[in-house]
Amino acid sequence: AIQMTQSPSSLSASVGDRVTITCRASQGIGNDLGWYQQRPTKAPELLIYAASSLQSGVPSRFSGSGSGTDFTLTISSLQPEDFATYYCLQNYNYPFTFGPGTKVDIK
Amino acid sequence: EVQLLESGGGLVQPGGSLRVSCAASGFTFSNYAMNWVRQAPGRGLDWVSTISASGGNTYYADSVKGRFTISRDNSKNTLYLQMSSLRAEDTAVYYCAIRIAAATFDYWGQGTLVTVSS
Repeated sequence: AIQMTQSPSSLSASVGDRVTITCRASQGIGNDLGWYQQRPTKAPELLIYAASSLQSGVPSRFSGSGSGTDFTLTISSLQPEDFATYYCLQNYNYPFTFGPGTKVDIK
Repeated sequence: EVQLLESGGGLVQPGGSLRVSCAASGFTFSNYAMNWVRQAPGRGLDWVSTISASGGNTYYADSVKGRFTISRDNSKNTLYLQMSSLRAEDTAVYYCAIRIAAATFDYWGQGTLVTVSS
């Protein structure tokens, strides 16, 4: 199975900060990677698909990049509603695997 | 509007069985593969299972293989997950999810909580 790692596992940031989260796959997955935001007690919401495509309705401050094994989610200017946990997901092959998550909280 | 509504969660004893359902609307259910993802309390997301649009192909995480069975009724627009030989570590919120327009899971239900405890 493809293992997904994320770094950092948590971070503290201020409103307006630029935030970068990294996801690494144990083998190449092309661009079959998505990024999700999850707020407490809510279902995950898709932010980025195919590594770099912005999901409809998602603010443009979110962006994704990467291919192969290394991927990045960037929030260009953190907003109050962005404090949440972020997960990557590889759907390159079965079993699909999520990263362990990155919790973003207020500094 | 795409809607996924899970139901059937509850408290079950270790070794017991439970079936959760996901009622779908707002899209042509029979055209799309469907998925189950779970999240244990305070933990991350885990993919559980996928079933093809026709139901002819199924895929499972190793942790549930042989114990869980995914199925669907395209006439009822409903997805199922039959869970047996349940363990404490199966305690989680179970979400159904679908890939429609994006290349990954773009619609999710609200989840149903399954608690395995004596």
